[in-house]
Amino acid sequence: EAQVTQNPRYLITVTGKKLTVTCSQNMNHEYMSWYRQDPGLGLRQIYYSMNVEVTDKGDVPEGYKVSRKEKRNFPLILESPSPNQTSLYFCASSFLEGGGDSPLHFGNGTRLTVT
Amino acid sequence: EDQVTQSPEALRLQEGESSSLNCSYTVSGLRGLFWYRQDPGKGPEFLFTLYSAGEEKEKERLKATLTKKESFLHITAPKPEDSATYLCAVQTFSGGYNKLIFGAGTRLAVHP
Repeated sequence: EAQVTQNPRYLITVTGKKLTVTCSQNMNHEYMSWYRQDPGLGLRQIYYSMNVEVTDKGDVPEGYKVSRKEKRNFPLILESPSPNQTSLYFCASSFLEGGGDSPLHFGNGTRLTVT
Repeated sequence: EDQVTQSPEALRLQEGESSSLNCSYTVSGLRGLFWYRQDPGKGPEFLFTLYSAGEEKEKERLKATLTKKESFLHITAPKPEDSATYLCAVQTFSGGYNKLIFGAGTRLAVHP
C-alpha cells in the first residue's frame, strides 16, 4: 500500500531535549516536505526537499533541522524544543512540488507537546 | 502578500441540506488550486485540482468550481460521512519554486 509513515504519532517532551520525528514514503517520490498545523493558521511549511541531499527552508524553519540522505526518508529534528513548537506535524511527499497532477500524499501526523 | 482565506470556519448541516464552502485567494500567479479532505487524527487527502477560471470537477456529492478570485466546494445532499475538515491550497511560483499556501480549513459537521 502506498503510504507516508510518520513516527511517533504522539510525543510529549520537555524543553531542550533533542528529538527526531521520522518520515518514510514507499512511492519513490522525489519531493518531500514537513508542515506544522496550528488552529486557525492552517498548514505551514517548515522544510522541503526536492531530492536526495537537496533541502531548503519553508515559511517557518526556525528551530528545526532536516536531512535527506535517502530518497524514502526525511526526518525532522528539533535540537532544543521549546513550548512554541507544540503542534501537529505532517510529513508529505509527491513526484513534483505538490502540484498539478502530482498532489501531496500526507502522513497521519505527529502530535508534539513540549512542556 | 499571498493569502488564502476559507469561510466559514465551521459549518453544521442536516443530512440532505446542500451548501457551499468558500476559498478566496490573493496570489501573484495561480498555478493551481487544490481541495483536500482531513478526517480527525489523519492527514489531508487529495480531492481535486483546478487550474483555470471556469473549470469544474466533481466527485460523488462534491463539486469544486474556480473563478479568478475564489473557489467553491459545493456539497449536494450531504451525508454524515461527509463530516470532515476541508482544506483549500493554492500553488504559486515564488522564490524560484512552486509553493503551496494552505487556508485554515472549514470544519463541516453533517448531522442525521
